[in-house]
Amino acid sequence: GAVVSQHPSWVICKSGTSVKIECRSLDFQATTMFWYRQFPKKSLMLMATSNEGSKATYEQGVEKDKFLINHASLTLSTLTVTSAHPEDSSFYICSARDLGRELNEQFFGPGTRLTVL
Amino acid sequence: GQNIDQPTEMTATEGAIVQINCTYQTSGFNGLFWYQQHAGEAPTFLSYNVLDGLEEKGRFSSFLSRSKGYSYLLLKELQMKDSASYLCAPMDSNYQLIWGAGTKLIIKP
Repeated sequence: GAVVSQHPSWVICKSGTSVKIECRSLDFQATTMFWYRQFPKKSLMLMATSNEGSKATYEQGVEKDKFLINHASLTLSTLTVTSAHPEDSSFYICSARDLGRELNEQFFGPGTRLTVL
Repeated sequence: GQNIDQPTEMTATEGAIVQINCTYQTSGFNGLFWYQQHAGEAPTFLSYNVLDGLEEKGRFSSFLSRSKGYSYLLLKELQMKDSASYLCAPMDSNYQLIWGAGTKLIIKP
């Protein structure tokens, strides 16, 4: 149990276009999902915390108008990278917390590798 | 501030034992997680400690000392597939995981 999926697993896009990444909890409900970005050989960087039915909480330095987050249901959160530029190329990972469990573990999706040309 | 300190890289031999140390400073504490991350993949959960002491789980064990802000991950009977990065991630008072850069473990035959 506690499986998180992400789609797409990789995407290549042109500079200036927008890309949407989906994160789904497949077998549990997640009122809270997290979006991370990871550059090669660097640590996971939390971008925002996504709460179902309310606005996401963005970390300092993350532009909320550029990285649009929508958490429309208890099993789905989306991250849209708007007007993507080459410096947005990174590995984007979502995670979700299963409130049905006592342990505050975050279950991670497989990640989405974004390359902006 | 919040800080995680782990060795950047470690090398060990197949079949041996390795201990990866982690010291941390967080605003509040709600337990500490260890994750494994293979190159190009997302992290996977290994262990969770919230009380002092040793938690054993097969070949992997994790230890926590809250008073010292210290944890270690012990890997026994190392296999080639254990080559990965190991991330120590304490959880702060807001239940947010604090991430360091992790320890890259290289296993040699």
